[in-house]
Amino acid sequence: NAGVTQTPKFRVLKTGQSMTLLCAQDMNHEYMYWYRQDPGMGLRLIHYSVGEGTTAKGEVPDGYNVSRLKKQNFLLGLESAAPSQTSVYFCASRPIGTSGTSTDTQYFGPGTRLTVL
Amino acid sequence: AQKITQTQPGMFVQEKEAVTLDCTYDTSDPSYGLFWYKQPSSGEMIFLIYQGSYDQQNATEGRYSLNFQKARKSANLVISASQLGDSAMYFCAMRERSGYSTLTFGKGTMLLVSP
Repeated sequence: NAGVTQTPKFRVLKTGQSMTLLCAQDMNHEYMYWYRQDPGMGLRLIHYSVGEGTTAKGEVPDGYNVSRLKKQNFLLGLESAAPSQTSVYFCASRPIGTSGTSTDTQYFGPGTRLTVL
Repeated sequence: AQKITQTQPGMFVQEKEAVTLDCTYDTSDPSYGLFWYKQPSSGEMIFLIYQGSYDQQNATEGRYSLNFQKARKSANLVISASQLGDSAMYFCAMRERSGYSTLTFGKGTMLLVSP
């Protein structure tokens, strides 16, 4: 049981390049999330998905696209990378039906450190 | 207005002492959850403790306890008997019922534990 994994762990891009970050979870969770973490800013939600085939915008969606073709995978795409997208990206997942219980938490991946030059 | 406010950018504590990390929140949703996460220098996000808005008692998990004062909208994390391994960034977060369980995070508090 690997939990939440993210690929790649590190990446350096040039401005204007594109890339896709992959998040995979093996816990059969319905909900998946993408966050970015910048110094002094905490984590901010980019996009999320409440099930296979669904996506929704979070707090900072501009410049990103996502897809959830399979329940276990949540992809984050940057079509034309900008230096402002230099950040650490975290994926998380959560099972449905745990709201209000002590297990009501998101499970985070290890993060992807992206630098855009 | 910020939904989660952590007013302490950094805190220092000596080993074996207790420390309180502050968190205040803002919501009009009667049903919400409050979380604390730890982020060590290695970068991973580690879930510590959860408090539901309807919970009558303060949450506890080992050396971690949450001082939940609903009327004051505060959810402070108390770490008892600090250890060197507690040195890390700590984030407070909130889930509102209306948000599909999305979390809103504070900016974090860096805790340094000295011998």
